[in-house]
Amino acid sequence: QSVLTQPPSVSGAPGQRVTISCTGSSSNIGAGYDVHWYQQLPGTAPKLLIYGNSNRPSGVPDRFSGSKSGTSASLAISGLQPEDEADYYCQSYDSSLSGSGVFGGGTKLTVL
Amino acid sequence: QVQLQESGPGLVKPSETLSLICTVSGGSISHYYWSWIRQPPGKGLEWIGYIYHRGSTKYNPSLKRQVTISVDTSKNQISLRLTSVTAADTAVYYCVRGVAPYSGYDRGDYWGQGTLVTVSS
Repeated sequence: QSVLTQPPSVSGAPGQRVTISCTGSSSNIGAGYDVHWYQQLPGTAPKLLIYGNSNRPSGVPDRFSGSKSGTSASLAISGLQPEDEADYYCQSYDSSLSGSGVFGGGTKLTVL
Repeated sequence: QVQLQESGPGLVKPSETLSLICTVSGGSISHYYWSWIRQPPGKGLEWIGYIYHRGSTKYNPSLKRQVTISVDTSKNQISLRLTSVTAADTAVYYCVRGVAPYSGYDRGDYWGQGTLVTVSS
C-alpha cells in the first residue's frame, strides 16, 4: 500500500486532456512538502517530468502541467500523443516517516 | 551531462548480501544528495535511502536494518549494501541524484538506467 494514492490507470484519445491525481495526507503533501512527477516509458528508467508541484524541467513540453492543493496534487496532460503512453508516478516526503521519500503506486496511461 | 551507471551482480542467493555501485560521470558527486530507489518487476517505485557527499545518510524505516549506503568521493561512486536478502528484494535498483527533503535536492533529476538484481538460490 503506497503512502500516496494514484489511480491505477487512465486513458484518453489522441488530442484529449487527461488528469492523474495523487492523494496524500496531512503528514506528506498537506504538510507542505512539494510534489514531483516522473514519467516511465516501457523498459526505461523514470524521467523527471514536473518538479516543485508545477515546474517543468528543460525539454518537457508545456502539454504537461502540475498543480497542488491541500493534501492532493494533479498532473494534467493536454493534447495527448501516442508517445505519452507510459507509467506516471508522484513523489513527495512524509513527516511521520521521519522525512522519508514516498511515491504513489503509479498510473498507467493508455492512449486509445 | 551527468550520467549514472549502476553495476554489480545480477543474481544473489537468499540470506546473502546485495552490493551495488553507482559510478557518476560528467560531474562531481560533491554538494549533492544521492539516492537508491528500487522497483520490483511489474510494481511501483520504492525509496531506499540517500547519502550526502559528506557521508550523512537517511534510510527508509522499513529497510533500515538491512541497508547501508556509502560514498567514495575520490572515485565519484555511491554504494549500496542490502543484507539478509529474500525474494522480496528482487528488483531493478536505480541510482538517482536527489530525492532528499531539502530545497533544490528534493527531486530525482538524474537517474541511472537501473540494474536488475534477482534473489534466488
